[in-house]
Amino acid sequence: QSVLTQPPSVSAAPGQKVTISCSGSSSNIGNNYVSWYQHLPGTAPKLLIYDNNKRPSGIPDRLSGSKSDTSATLGITGLHTGDEADYYCGTWDTRLTTFVFGTGTKVTVL
Amino acid sequence: QLQLQESGSGLVKPSQTLSLTCAVSGDSLNSGGYSWSWIRQPPGKDLEWIGYIYHSGSTYYNPSLKSRVTMSIDRSKNQFSLKLNSVTAADTAVYYCARGEALPPRYFGYWGQGTLVTVSS
Repeated sequence: QSVLTQPPSVSAAPGQKVTISCSGSSSNIGNNYVSWYQHLPGTAPKLLIYDNNKRPSGIPDRLSGSKSDTSATLGITGLHTGDEADYYCGTWDTRLTTFVFGTGTKVTVL
Repeated sequence: QLQLQESGSGLVKPSQTLSLTCAVSGDSLNSGGYSWSWIRQPPGKDLEWIGYIYHSGSTYYNPSLKSRVTMSIDRSKNQFSLKLNSVTAADTAVYYCARGEALPPRYFGYWGQGTLVTVSS
């Protein structure tokens, strides 16, 4: 099982905000950069956030990332049906010497 | 625009070798600063990073898979490959190739669509 823990699911009404947590330890999140990915089944995962809080070109500013100690958070505001997907956090783990992904969170728009 | 496309055997018998190739377009594998990774996701399970290869040919593998993994690069075809030997049903997964930023990878900016590999007799 992954060393990065995420809630299995979060949901909110259209236009509202959701936050997704990613809990790790000092060997991963605590000392390395965090990235976030959106994944729709059958498609290529998409990078949303890198280096804790940076957005790649083309990613709207209603998506945000933050990190504190050994946890990270992805926020999505102005939720719409197009945001329904699975979301994963990821980072390097210095103890395991491998890149690790979170357990994944399914976002549902009510 | 960088694109990655996986191809290879979709059905592999237990104990045999899984072989996949990732064709890269829109960028050269010789570009420095990037690593080229394989990542997989078994049905209903988490994403698992398998390892990376650098343009020089140097590799680094996930310790949990290291004994069974081999990655290689073909610069003339701008593609890189994965071989996983002695497969079992636990190796059934969607396999993705991806470009990683830096060494070790800080994040993966580009991914292929993925290819399902089933291990079954």
